[in-house]
Amino acid sequence: AQTVTQSQPEMSVQEAETVTLSCTYDTSESDYYLFWYKQPPSRQMILVIRQEAYKQQNATENRFSVNFQKAAKSFSLKISDSQLGDAAMYFCASDVNSGGGADGLTFGKGTHLIIQP
Amino acid sequence: DVKVTQSSRYLVKRTGEKVFLECVQDMDHENMFWYRQDPGLGLRLIYFSYDVKMKEKGDIPEGYSVSREKKERFSLILESASTNQTSMYLCASTPRRGKLFFGSGTQLSVL
Repeated sequence: AQTVTQSQPEMSVQEAETVTLSCTYDTSESDYYLFWYKQPPSRQMILVIRQEAYKQQNATENRFSVNFQKAAKSFSLKISDSQLGDAAMYFCASDVNSGGGADGLTFGKGTHLIIQP
Repeated sequence: DVKVTQSSRYLVKRTGEKVFLECVQDMDHENMFWYRQDPGLGLRLIYFSYDVKMKEKGDIPEGYSVSREKKERFSLILESASTNQTSMYLCASTPRRGKLFFGSGTQLSVL
Protein backbone atom coordinates (compact mmCIF):
# COMPACT_ATOMS: atom_id res chain seq x y z
CA ALA A 1 0.00 0.00 0.00
CA GLN A 2 1.24 3.45 -0.86
CA THR A 3 2.28 5.36 2.23
CA VAL A 4 3.12 8.75 0.69
CA THR A 5 0.47 10.41 -1.46
CA GLN A 6 0.78 13.45 -3.67
CA SER A 7 -2.64 14.16 -5.09
CA GLN A 8 -1.61 16.88 -7.56
CA PRO A 9 0.12 15.46 -10.65
CA GLU A 10 0.66 18.98 -11.99
CA MET A 11 0.46 22.53 -10.67
CA SER A 12 0.91 25.85 -12.40
CA VAL A 13 1.70 29.22 -10.84
CA GLN A 14 2.54 32.70 -12.07
CA GLU A 15 6.05 33.92 -11.46
CA ALA A 16 6.35 35.76 -8.11
CA GLU A 17 3.17 34.15 -6.77
CA THR A 18 2.91 31.59 -3.97
CA VAL A 19 2.09 27.93 -4.54
CA THR A 20 1.42 25.06 -2.16
CA LEU A 21 2.11 21.42 -3.00
CA SER A 22 0.25 18.79 -1.00
CA CYS A 23 1.47 15.57 0.55
CA THR A 24 -0.11 13.11 2.95
CA TYR A 25 1.41 10.02 4.47
CA ASP A 26 0.36 7.06 6.51
CA THR A 27 2.11 5.79 9.62
CA SER A 28 1.57 4.65 13.16
CA GLU A 29 5.10 5.62 14.12
CA SER A 30 5.90 8.70 16.20
CA ASP A 31 9.52 9.16 15.14
CA TYR A 32 10.15 9.77 11.47
CA TYR A 33 11.50 12.25 8.95
CA LEU A 34 9.71 13.89 6.04
CA PHE A 35 11.35 15.41 2.98
CA TRP A 36 10.68 17.41 -0.13
CA TYR A 37 12.99 16.78 -3.06
CA LYS A 38 13.16 18.77 -6.28
CA GLN A 39 14.10 17.25 -9.63
CA PRO A 40 14.73 19.84 -12.38
CA PRO A 41 15.16 18.88 -16.05
CA SER A 42 18.81 18.05 -15.29
CA ARG A 43 17.37 15.04 -13.37
CA GLN A 44 19.53 15.72 -10.32
CA MET A 45 17.52 15.14 -7.15
CA ILE A 46 17.98 18.08 -4.78
CA LEU A 47 16.86 18.14 -1.17
CA VAL A 48 14.62 21.17 -0.66
CA ILE A 49 13.61 20.79 2.97
CA ARG A 50 13.49 18.27 5.79
CA GLN A 51 11.22 17.97 8.82
CA GLU A 52 11.70 15.83 11.90
CA ALA A 53 8.36 14.60 13.18
CA TYR A 54 9.21 15.28 16.81
CA LYS A 55 9.71 18.97 16.07
CA GLN A 56 6.56 21.02 16.26
CA GLN A 57 8.06 24.00 14.50
CA ASN A 58 7.64 23.98 10.74
CA ALA A 59 10.87 23.85 8.78
CA THR A 60 11.79 26.77 6.51
CA GLU A 61 14.53 27.28 3.94
CA ASN A 62 14.48 30.75 2.43
CA ARG A 63 11.41 30.86 0.12
CA PHE A 64 10.46 27.27 0.95
CA SER A 65 8.46 26.34 4.01
CA VAL A 66 6.33 23.43 5.12
CA ASN A 67 3.03 23.11 6.89
CA PHE A 68 3.46 19.98 8.99
CA GLN A 69 0.22 18.72 10.53
CA LYS A 70 1.21 15.60 12.44
CA ALA A 71 -2.26 14.58 13.56
CA ALA A 72 -3.59 14.94 10.04
CA LYS A 73 -0.48 13.28 8.57
CA SER A 74 -0.10 16.14 6.17
CA PHE A 75 3.14 17.72 4.95
CA SER A 76 2.62 20.47 2.38
CA LEU A 77 5.33 22.57 0.74
CA LYS A 78 4.83 26.29 0.23
CA ILE A 79 6.97 28.12 -2.30
CA SER A 80 6.83 31.88 -1.97
CA ASP A 81 7.80 34.39 -4.67
CA SER A 82 7.98 31.62 -7.29
CA GLN A 83 10.88 31.87 -9.71
CA LEU A 84 11.39 30.32 -13.13
CA GLY A 85 14.13 28.15 -11.65
CA ASP A 86 11.58 26.53 -9.35
CA ALA A 87 10.05 24.69 -12.31
CA ALA A 88 10.66 21.00 -11.62
CA MET A 89 9.17 17.75 -10.39
CA TYR A 90 8.71 17.83 -6.64
CA PHE A 91 8.69 14.63 -4.62
CA CYS A 92 7.51 14.20 -1.07
CA ALA A 93 9.28 11.41 0.81
CA SER A 94 9.33 9.76 4.21
CA ASP A 95 11.24 7.17 6.16
CA VAL A 96 8.14 6.04 8.06
CA ASN A 97 8.45 2.47 6.83
CA SER A 98 12.18 2.09 6.73
CA GLY A 99 13.44 1.36 10.19
CA GLY A 100 14.95 4.74 10.76
CA GLY A 101 15.84 5.57 7.20
CA ALA A 102 18.60 3.03 6.70
CA ASP A 103 16.23 1.15 4.42
CA GLY A 104 15.75 4.15 2.17
CA LEU A 105 12.89 6.55 1.69
CA THR A 106 9.37 6.03 0.37
CA PHE A 107 8.47 8.57 -2.29
CA GLY A 108 5.22 9.98 -3.57
CA LYS A 109 4.48 9.97 -7.29
CA GLY A 110 5.52 13.58 -7.71
CA THR A 111 4.01 16.93 -8.65
CA HIS A 112 5.12 18.67 -11.81
CA LEU A 113 5.38 22.39 -11.06
CA ILE A 114 5.10 24.82 -13.97
CA ILE A 115 6.07 28.46 -13.52
CA GLN A 116 4.30 30.85 -15.88
CA PRO A 117 6.39 33.94 -16.74
CA ASP B 1 30.37 18.12 -1.31
CA VAL B 2 29.27 14.52 -1.47
CA LYS B 3 29.55 13.08 -4.93
CA VAL B 4 27.54 10.10 -6.16
CA THR B 5 28.58 9.16 -9.66
CA GLN B 6 26.67 6.95 -12.02
CA SER B 7 28.83 5.64 -14.84
CA SER B 8 26.42 6.27 -17.72
CA ARG B 9 23.86 9.00 -18.33
CA TYR B 10 22.21 7.19 -21.23
CA LEU B 11 22.37 3.51 -22.11
CA VAL B 12 20.76 1.54 -24.93
CA LYS B 13 20.69 -2.25 -24.71
CA ARG B 14 18.97 -5.11 -26.47
CA THR B 15 16.49 -7.53 -24.98
CA GLY B 16 18.24 -10.43 -23.29
CA GLU B 17 21.53 -8.61 -22.72
CA LYS B 18 23.15 -8.56 -19.30
CA VAL B 19 23.36 -4.96 -18.13
CA PHE B 20 25.52 -3.44 -15.41
CA LEU B 21 24.75 -0.03 -13.91
CA GLU B 22 27.56 1.29 -11.76
CA CYS B 23 27.42 3.74 -8.89
CA VAL B 24 30.29 5.16 -6.85
CA GLN B 25 30.14 7.47 -3.83
CA ASP B 26 33.12 9.30 -2.38
CA MET B 27 32.04 9.95 1.21
CA ASP B 28 32.40 6.56 2.91
CA HIS B 29 28.65 6.17 3.31
CA GLU B 30 27.37 2.95 4.83
CA ASN B 31 24.04 2.78 3.01
CA MET B 32 23.49 2.72 -0.72
CA PHE B 33 20.32 2.39 -2.76
CA TRP B 34 19.02 1.78 -6.27
CA TYR B 35 15.73 3.35 -7.26
CA ARG B 36 13.78 3.16 -10.47
CA GLN B 37 11.86 6.24 -11.64
CA ASP B 38 8.92 6.02 -14.05
CA PRO B 39 6.48 8.78 -15.02
CA GLY B 40 3.43 8.77 -12.80
CA LEU B 41 4.94 6.20 -10.44
CA GLY B 42 7.56 8.24 -8.63
CA LEU B 43 10.67 6.51 -7.30
CA ARG B 44 10.52 2.86 -6.31
CA LEU B 45 13.22 1.09 -4.34
CA ILE B 46 14.83 -1.88 -6.08
CA TYR B 47 17.65 -2.93 -3.72
CA PHE B 48 19.71 -1.43 -0.96
CA SER B 49 22.84 -2.28 0.96
CA TYR B 50 23.96 -1.58 4.54
CA ASP B 51 27.55 -2.60 4.07
CA VAL B 52 30.00 -4.43 1.87
CA LYS B 53 28.64 -7.76 0.59
CA MET B 54 25.28 -7.07 2.21
CA LYS B 55 22.11 -6.50 0.22
CA GLU B 56 18.43 -6.25 0.90
CA LYS B 57 15.46 -6.37 -1.44
CA GLY B 58 13.40 -3.27 -1.86
CA ASP B 59 9.88 -3.03 -3.22
CA ILE B 60 10.53 -4.19 -6.80
CA PRO B 61 13.58 -6.52 -6.88
CA GLU B 62 12.30 -8.91 -9.54
CA GLY B 63 14.56 -9.08 -12.56
CA TYR B 64 17.42 -7.30 -10.79
CA SER B 65 20.40 -8.21 -8.65
CA VAL B 66 23.10 -6.12 -7.00
CA SER B 67 26.72 -6.33 -6.00
CA ARG B 68 28.65 -4.45 -3.36
CA GLU B 69 32.23 -5.68 -3.23
CA LYS B 70 33.65 -2.37 -2.04
CA LYS B 71 32.06 0.18 0.27
CA GLU B 72 32.09 2.96 -2.29
CA ARG B 73 30.64 0.98 -5.20
CA PHE B 74 27.14 -0.43 -5.64
CA SER B 75 26.24 -2.10 -8.91
CA LEU B 76 22.80 -2.91 -10.26
CA ILE B 77 22.61 -5.90 -12.59
CA LEU B 78 19.90 -6.77 -15.06
CA GLU B 79 20.56 -10.45 -15.75
CA SER B 80 18.49 -10.53 -18.94
CA ALA B 81 17.19 -7.10 -19.89
CA SER B 82 13.57 -6.79 -20.93
CA THR B 83 11.66 -3.92 -22.49
CA ASN B 84 9.71 -3.32 -19.27
CA GLN B 85 13.00 -2.43 -17.61
CA THR B 86 13.30 0.67 -19.78
CA SER B 87 13.42 3.39 -17.14
CA MET B 88 15.47 5.98 -15.30
CA TYR B 89 17.68 4.45 -12.63
CA LEU B 90 18.84 6.52 -9.67
CA CYS B 91 21.55 5.57 -7.22
CA ALA B 92 21.72 7.17 -3.76
CA SER B 93 23.74 6.94 -0.57
CA THR B 94 23.45 8.10 3.01
CA PRO B 95 25.68 7.90 6.08
CA ARG B 96 22.78 7.76 8.49
CA ARG B 97 19.16 8.56 8.86
CA GLY B 98 18.03 11.54 6.93
CA LYS B 99 19.25 13.01 3.69
CA LEU B 100 19.81 10.84 0.64
CA PHE B 101 22.51 11.94 -1.79
CA PHE B 102 21.60 11.07 -5.36
CA GLY B 103 23.52 10.46 -8.54
CA SER B 104 22.36 12.16 -11.74
CA GLY B 105 20.61 9.07 -13.06
CA THR B 106 20.98 6.61 -15.92
CA GLN B 107 18.28 6.56 -18.57
CA LEU B 108 18.18 2.96 -19.79
CA SER B 109 16.40 1.97 -22.99
CA VAL B 110 15.94 -1.72 -23.73
CA LEU B 111 15.06 -2.40 -27.36
